[in-house]
Amino acid sequence: QSVLTQPPSVSGAPGQRVTMSCTGSSSNIGAGYDVHWYQQLPGTAPKLLIYANNNRPSGVPDRFSGSKSGTSASLAITGLQAEDEADYYCQSHDSSLSAWVFGGGTKLTVL
Amino acid sequence: EVQLVESGGGLVQPGGSLRLSCAASGFTFRSYWMTWVRQAPGKGLEWVANINQEGSEKHYVDFVKGRITISRDNAKNSLFLQMNSLRAEDTAVYYCARVGNDHDYDFWGQGTLVTVSP
Repeated sequence: QSVLTQPPSVSGAPGQRVTMSCTGSSSNIGAGYDVHWYQQLPGTAPKLLIYANNNRPSGVPDRFSGSKSGTSASLAITGLQAEDEADYYCQSHDSSLSAWVFGGGTKLTVL
Repeated sequence: EVQLVESGGGLVQPGGSLRLSCAASGFTFRSYWMTWVRQAPGKGLEWVANINQEGSEKHYVDFVKGRITISRDNAKNSLFLQMNSLRAEDTAVYYCARVGNDHDYDFWGQGTLVTVSP
């Protein structure tokens, strides 16, 4: 059971907007620690998608955005494309565990 | 171009040892924290350990403490993970990654597979 909870799967049609959540607690997201998001395409290494809650690294399209509120964070993808089909992971720090923790991941299916 | 290339994975028997390496290039290695993250087959990402720029501060996830040691050689731009007393549940792809300014993992290697089996 991951400390950060993500829905196992989400889906959407090309061109649509999808969101996925990352729910934590008062010892991680709620304590003010930043949330980062990673995209893992099938058979490849993870790639940083959003850092420090809502910042995009160079080269990441502005179709991807992040937000954080209270003990949760969200990743939104607009204008869904077939190549967005991947696993998405959130990450933060947990003070109770003294560890950096990942969510269990959300598999995005583009219909 | 930032590049991280892991090596050293393979098949090892339960109780055995393995030393993973990560060769870094394209950035000033000695200026960054570095980390190891693993992914069991068909499972999610799991943070394992990280190390500061000088190698003087190290952090480990609880279930590897005492069995795994992270280290680095800044002169050789290399990161290491010494794994002892390996168990079946340590079977995973092990990734090294660079730690960014916000403690995000901004660049990742391609990973090296460790299989622990009789």
